[in-house]
Amino acid sequence: GIQVEQSPPDLILQEGANSTLRCNFSDSVNNLQWFHQNPWGQLINLFYIPSGTKQNGRLSATTVATERYSLLYISSSQTTDSGVYFCAVLTGANNLFFGTGTRLTVIP
Amino acid sequence: KAGVTQTPRYLIKTRGQQVTLSCSPISGHRSVSWYQQTPGQGLQFLFEYFSETQRNKGNFPGRFSGRQFSNSRSEMNVSTLELGDSALYLCASSLISGATLGEQFFGPGTRLTVL
Repeated sequence: GIQVEQSPPDLILQEGANSTLRCNFSDSVNNLQWFHQNPWGQLINLFYIPSGTKQNGRLSATTVATERYSLLYISSSQTTDSGVYFCAVLTGANNLFFGTGTRLTVIP
Repeated sequence: KAGVTQTPRYLIKTRGQQVTLSCSPISGHRSVSWYQQTPGQGLQFLFEYFSETQRNKGNFPGRFSGRQFSNSRSEMNVSTLELGDSALYLCASSLISGATLGEQFFGPGTRLTVL
């Protein structure tokens, strides 16, 4: 099956810093989503982004499908940004393949 | 519009028992997918239902089964529980399935502990 790799696996930031999370995938995909998993396990949709760039407040994402990667940018990080960030890709069937996640800790 | 709901939120069972989990999708969504999340294996796809039919299945043993009702609500059943079935079970709904793939929205999950 398709391989989805995320980097870095862990990231510690000072509040106010910026960061870039990366998602590489091994094959062509139909779509890609970014999620934030909160401490209670809820997966919160951040972006649905098959290609191009989208922005939502302090967060933005870019997917370059031809080069098989996506980037999630977090600017001016806050402690509430802490948690695990997952990217997930959709292949020909309607099921998501998840990356291993990036655990972000923002310290005040 | 109400989100995806899952019941129960927490469940404790013993080995050998069976369990049924329920998922109600967002109104109008006809596709429901199930995922298992464990510390060792991460998030893995179990199966997807659309219009009461299983359309896709992940690499899980036959002890894991599901169904979907005419109102799009879905249930997942695990028989003969094993310790390794302890996990967070997440369901997701999407508006469309098949040729055009829809954005998936997740419920809060059911945390199953097998003793």
